[in-house]
Formats: sequence, C-alpha cells, structure tokens
Amino acid sequence: AQSVTQLDSQVPVFEEAPVELRCNYSSSVSVYLFWYVQYPNQGLQLLLKYLSGSTLVKGINGFEAEFNKSQTSFHLRKPSVHISDTAEYFCAVNSDRGSTLGRLYFGRGTQLTVWP
Amino acid sequence: SQTIHQWPATLVQPVGSPLSLECTVEGTSNPNLYWYRQAAGRGLQLLFYSVGIGQISSEVPQNLSASRPQDRQFILSSKKLLLSDSGFYLCAWNSATYEQYFGPGTRLTVT
Repeated sequence: AQSVTQLDSQVPVFEEAPVELRCNYSSSVSVYLFWYVQYPNQGLQLLLKYLSGSTLVKGINGFEAEFNKSQTSFHLRKPSVHISDTAEYFCAVNSDRGSTLGRLYFGRGTQLTVWP
Repeated sequence: SQTIHQWPATLVQPVGSPLSLECTVEGTSNPNLYWYRQAAGRGLQLLFYSVGIGQISSEVPQNLSASRPQDRQFILSSKKLLLSDSGFYLCAWNSATYEQYFGPGTRLTVT
C-alpha cells in the first residue's frame, strides 16, 4: 500500500504571502498524484493532477505543484495567497497505473489559514 | 455534465440504530464508485469501492456494508451504529479518468 505524508498539519500565512504545502509519498513504481482542496463541511475539489509529462503542473485558483521523482515529492505552491484560500488541502496518490480503478491514498491534510 | 449527490447532508443517530446513506451519480454510465470516511485529523479512509452493479470490495473490515443496486447508485449501511462510526462520509466516482470526483458529503453523528 502507498503512504502519503503531508509534513505540516497547519500552515498559517498572511494574505499576499507565498505558500508551499509539502507532500511526500512512498512508492517504488510510477504514480499519479493529486491535490484536493476542502472547504468546511464540503466535499473535496480537485486542484490539480500529475499524470505524466511536464513535472510542473498548474491548477485552479493560481496553484501549481512540482513532481520530483527522485525525492518522491509533490509540493503545492502559490505565489500570493488570498483569504479565500483558507481551507484544508489533501495530497493523494494513485499507483494503479493502467487502470482507472484508482484507489487513492490520502495524506492527513494540511490546514492552510490565511490571515489579513 | 456529471454531478454527484449525497443524502442526507447531516444525520444524528443513536448508538445501535441502523444507517443508510445514499449516493447517486448523474451524467455518466458504469462509473467506479467509492465510499470514504473522514475523521478529524486523519485524512480520508477508503471504505468500499464498486466497479459495477452488485460488485463491492471492502477495504477495511468494520461495522458497515455497501451495496450497489443500480449502475449509478451506491448505498452505505449499518445494522447497528457504534460511536466510532461518527464522521464525514464522502462518496466519489471516476470513469475514464484517474482522478476521482467527490460528492458534498454526509456528516454523521452517533450519540
């Protein structure tokens, strides 16, 4: 089974500051990688995904993430955050390549709080 | 476009009572369907997944069961709820893509 580690459970930042949310995964095989965002009492919304190709992927709301195979990392970044970015962020891995029956393995989440 | 519905949105049930949570998907056919549970500070735990009608796979042995009576309907059930069943239950689906799409969730509180 996969394991996904989100190194920070909480990240407080001020508005307009840059932010990086860290994610590492354990896998000896190729993976698909995802970041999801969850606002209070809502479901998860897909922010971005890495399937193949360029290691820098861009998502919605100005977020981007970089896949680093040697470090087995997929850190999420945004150059300037807004108060509306306050939410919980989940990193997820799917290693069932070749099948769309994708069992996602999730990290425990990082609560991003943006202060004015 | 595809949409996914879950109901009820919130539920408060006493210990020992039965449970039935429903998930339906619109706008797609033969989706893979998933039930996750989210407990505070513990991320998401996959409970069940289904690749077709009547086909259920369980990831974690527990007090819950799942059924798929129709192509786009996925039901999570319990005969007798435990306190530890409290949590936020999320249904998800995918089809020809690797990412999963989540429903709005059901908040279950067992008292």
